[in-house]
Amino acid sequence: QSALTQPASVSGSPGQSITISCTGTSSDVGGHHNHVSWYQQHPGKAPKLIIYDVSSRPSGASNRFSGSKSGNTASLTISRLQAEDEAHYYCVSYTTTNTHVVFGGGTKLTVL
Amino acid sequence: QVQLQESGPGLVKPSETLSLTCTVSGGSISSAGYYWSWIRQHPEKGLEWIGYIYHSGNTYSNPSLKSRLTLSVDTSKNQFSLKLSSVTAADTAVYYCAREDSGAWYLDHWGQGTLVTVSS
Repeated sequence: QSALTQPASVSGSPGQSITISCTGTSSDVGGHHNHVSWYQQHPGKAPKLIIYDVSSRPSGASNRFSGSKSGNTASLTISRLQAEDEAHYYCVSYTTTNTHVVFGGGTKLTVL
Repeated sequence: QVQLQESGPGLVKPSETLSLTCTVSGGSISSAGYYWSWIRQHPEKGLEWIGYIYHSGNTYSNPSLKSRLTLSVDTSKNQFSLKLSSVTAADTAVYYCAREDSGAWYLDHWGQGTLVTVSS
């Protein structure tokens, strides 16, 4: 069982927006920091950083990806869905426990 | 552009030691501000953080693996390595090496991953 809870799957049609939630505790997502990141993983590929520090995008990441945090829940929103967005998405948070960082269980995004 | 590449045996026998090396190119492993991390992904499962090492040799490991894990770094070769002892089938996974920002704890560059199967 992963430390952070994500929905197992979400879906949306091209052009729509979807949001993936990532729920933790006050020891991780809800702590007094902004160290939540999101990764996209296509089948057979390594994860790719798409959001860091809750809402910052690394160079090269699409501006259709955006992130936010409220309390113990972080969220990833993908706007104007495209077929290429179909992938697994993982959240990661800094944690004050002894595991350094904690991962979400991953969410499979299906573009209908 | 920093690139990472894992290397090592793809098949390890139960009770033996799994050994992997990550070679970093396009940047120095001695650069300040980065941890060099290992993450694994069990088949059709999520991601699990294994541990990280700093260029100074300081390490931090997942408590669930700490007793079996050895992390090392060779700055002269721009490489870091993982050894996991007494492996079982539960250690079968794709192993990734990655660069981690030491101040913000995000993994910005990843290797392509290598599948390690534990089987006799």
